[in-house]
Amino acid sequence: SYALTQPPSVSVAPGKTATITCVGNNIESKTVHWYQQKPGQAPVLVVFYDSDRPSGIPERFSGSNSGNTATLTISRVEAGDEADYYCQVWDSTTYHYVFAAGTKVTVL
Amino acid sequence: QVQMVQSGAEVKKPGASVKVSCKASGSIFTNYFMHWVRQAPGQGLEWMGSIYPSGGSAVYGQKFRGRLTMTRDTSTSTVYMDLSSLKSEDTAVYYCASSHTVSSGHDYWGQGTLVTVSS
Repeated sequence: SYALTQPPSVSVAPGKTATITCVGNNIESKTVHWYQQKPGQAPVLVVFYDSDRPSGIPERFSGSNSGNTATLTISRVEAGDEADYYCQVWDSTTYHYVFAAGTKVTVL
Repeated sequence: QVQMVQSGAEVKKPGASVKVSCKASGSIFTNYFMHWVRQAPGQGLEWMGSIYPSGGSAVYGQKFRGRLTMTRDTSTSTVYMDLSSLKSEDTAVYYCASSHTVSSGHDYWGQGTLVTVSS
């Protein structure tokens, strides 16, 4: 199955920018989504179709996808952004979804 | 208000089966694709499969093929996830989730159902 790699952890100071990468072979040819999950809660979709934001998600969350790397960027990080973040791809040949292992974002 | 309400926690013995339900608000059930995602304790998210709104056809992850059955009951706006031949490694929180197209990601989620497999 399709392999995705995220860094296990990212630390960022409040007000700074957090960048979370998701690496996969030719990932730019796939559809990428990003989720935020806080402890004890269901995940929340924060970016879909590489760079679109669902209603209610702050503009501080943005996504991009090029080459072998998709990226979630959180600008002006707040304490409430501390969570696990997962990238997910949809494979149009198998109609399967795949999640990466996730990145724990710590706000210093 | 979109709501997806799952059934309660389950405790099963190895080798048994479990059936988890997810009741969705009408518009979601009728038009959206439904998915099941699980999360083992302290681990990441794992997509299990998807069931389509029309006809009820389903796609299953390779890992679950032969053990997983997803169905939908239009009369009660409920989708079901049936996992058989349970092992201790199946202990996890199971989530139902929806998407407005087959590829658009999971925009609404149920609250999760803890399934514990233990002898």
